[in-house]
Amino acid sequence: DAGVIQSPRHEVTEMGQEVTLRCKPISGHDYLFWYRQTMMRGLELLIYFNNNVPIDDSGMPEDRFSAKMPNASFSTLKIQPSEPRDSAVYFCASRLNPESEQFFGPGTRLTVL
Amino acid sequence: GESVGLHLPTLSVQEGDNSIINCAYSNSASDYFIWYKQESGKGPQFIIDIRSNMDKRQGQRVTVLLNKTVKHLSLQIAATQPGDSAVYFCAENWGTSYGKLTFGQGTILTVHP
Repeated sequence: DAGVIQSPRHEVTEMGQEVTLRCKPISGHDYLFWYRQTMMRGLELLIYFNNNVPIDDSGMPEDRFSAKMPNASFSTLKIQPSEPRDSAVYFCASRLNPESEQFFGPGTRLTVL
Repeated sequence: GESVGLHLPTLSVQEGDNSIINCAYSNSASDYFIWYKQESGKGPQFIIDIRSNMDKRQGQRVTVLLNKTVKHLSLQIAATQPGDSAVYFCAENWGTSYGKLTFGQGTILTVHP
């Protein structure tokens, strides 16, 4: 198994631009998670899905952030418009069920200039 | 004003020593716990897990201890190696009705040759 796949691995953009991060979870995993990691705030859960349905989006910073999961093998996290304070590493993770381990992707390092 | 980042606990050990990393978890109803290791530039990686019906579990060179009375989790690494240098996170699952893990802030382990 290839594990959780994220793209791009690095993204540099200018303030105001739209950014789309992509994730392919491990096949068969029912749960998908989006995290943000910064030196200031550590690892923060933004949103998670169960069977493609958003369950908890309380960690999404504001309306500029949106996440979708159109099918079991793909999810996107979109920031529009992006701001310099959005610069962080964004991780996607997936999990089979609440009694199993959670696997993280390699992350996308986002820099907003 | 000057920004302040997270002040993670740190542990420095000599190669070959045993390391103990501690974690206080928040929810007495949590039933599943995981330790993750995060190396620089990578996503968190699963190390070992333990369920709430156990108080000890051993892996290869690692042991996790669970004390539910005081809501404390520890990770012991035997014969610590330079490759063990990383940030270590504990995570708790609040029960099978919750799909998400709650992560601690992390501990920085530095192993000196």
